[in-house]
Amino acid sequence: NAGVTQTPKFQVLKTGQSMTLQCAQDMNHNSMYWYRQDPGMGLRLIYYSASEGTTDKGEVPNGYNVSRLNKREFSLRLESAAPSQTSVYFCASKPYDEQFFGPGTRLTVL
Amino acid sequence: GENVEQHPSTLSVQEGDSAVIKCTYSDSASNYFPWYKQELGKGPQLIIDIRSNVGEKKDQRIAVTLNKTAKHFSLHITETQPEDSAVYFCVPANDYKLSFGAGTTVTVRA
Repeated sequence: NAGVTQTPKFQVLKTGQSMTLQCAQDMNHNSMYWYRQDPGMGLRLIYYSASEGTTDKGEVPNGYNVSRLNKREFSLRLESAAPSQTSVYFCASKPYDEQFFGPGTRLTVL
Repeated sequence: GENVEQHPSTLSVQEGDSAVIKCTYSDSASNYFPWYKQELGKGPQLIIDIRSNVGEKKDQRIAVTLNKTAKHFSLHITETQPEDSAVYFCVPANDYKLSFGAGTTVTVRA
């Protein structure tokens, strides 16, 4: 099992560019999450998907969109990147309680 | 939303000594209390958790205690080792709602 995988690992964007962060899990988990982590802070929830076909906003959803493509995949899209979106992005999935995290995507917006 | 406070923000201990991290939360609906460990460059990983009907749980050198009346729970690490050096997060949760504390950076001195 690969667990939770994220692509890309690193990305540099210019202000106004768009991109999609990909996340996939092979553990047959129902719930999936997207977080951002800024220096010296805990993770903040952007969006989550409790099950295939549903998505809900978290604490900091502005500037992001998500798609739960199927049970395995949950993507995060930045339509018009801003420097404030420079962060490390983590995807996670969970069956019941424990969350399993991916390795993260380090995004820099210039 | 949930207000989570974690103390201390940094903790330096001598190898073999104990470390204690405290977490307070505000949402009385929280019913699941995990602690996550994040090593440099990686996603967080669950190390121990407790449900609201249990006061204490122990797993080898780590333990978690919960006081639901006072809305706080603590992480205890005994006989600390160099591999315990990491950032630790408390994450009080209720179903799909999880709130990360700001984290405690633990450094174990040899």
